[in-house]
Amino acid sequence: AQSVSQHNHHVILSEAASLELGCNYSYGGTVNLFWYVQYPGQHLQLLLKYFSGDPLVKGIKGFEAEFIKSKFSFNLRKPSVQWSDTAEYFCAVKGENQGGKLIFGQGTELSVKP
Amino acid sequence: KAGVTQTPRYLIKTRGQQVTLSCSPISGHRSVSWYQQTPGQGLQFLFEYFSETQRNKGNFPGRFSGRQFSNSRSEMNVSTLELGDSALYLCASSWGTGNEQFFGPGTRLTVL
Repeated sequence: AQSVSQHNHHVILSEAASLELGCNYSYGGTVNLFWYVQYPGQHLQLLLKYFSGDPLVKGIKGFEAEFIKSKFSFNLRKPSVQWSDTAEYFCAVKGENQGGKLIFGQGTELSVKP
Repeated sequence: KAGVTQTPRYLIKTRGQQVTLSCSPISGHRSVSWYQQTPGQGLQFLFEYFSETQRNKGNFPGRFSGRQFSNSRSEMNVSTLELGDSALYLCASSWGTGNEQFFGPGTRLTVL
């Protein structure tokens, strides 16, 4: 069965620190990969997505993620976080032939100290 | 362009009752998916509808059902509510099945 694992439940950083959130998935076929963000009091928003092509994907607000197929990983990165990046981050996977069925990780709560 | 809208935003029911939640997708989107979000289980896929047909279903009991109308609006129904059904129910729409999904604000259901 498909599954997604996010390594960190809660990450605390100071402003300007670099960020890397881990995401590993379990699935035997071709996948589409996503990172969503949920700011306090707001709904889920798409940060970035990977369907095919360049495994280094750039998203909104300076975030990027790298798909490493051999490691079944899709880690999220940002070189310098801001207080406004405080939110919960979700990694999600979809099998290529599974329509709209997204499998989500448990989420990582990021707290950025000013 | 208006985003995904869900009604009602908050709902309180008692055990044994049934509930219907509504979702209006982004204009032009034909696929609607539903998810349940709880602190313990996280975000779990319920089902997906496209062109009024259920295309995918998650591992939820038959008490959870849904439908989609010809204008792509969708409803989900939960019958014989249990305490464990208390959750945030999220609806997401996409242009087609398999495309990126855009989420609504959710309906917070509390079962007493």
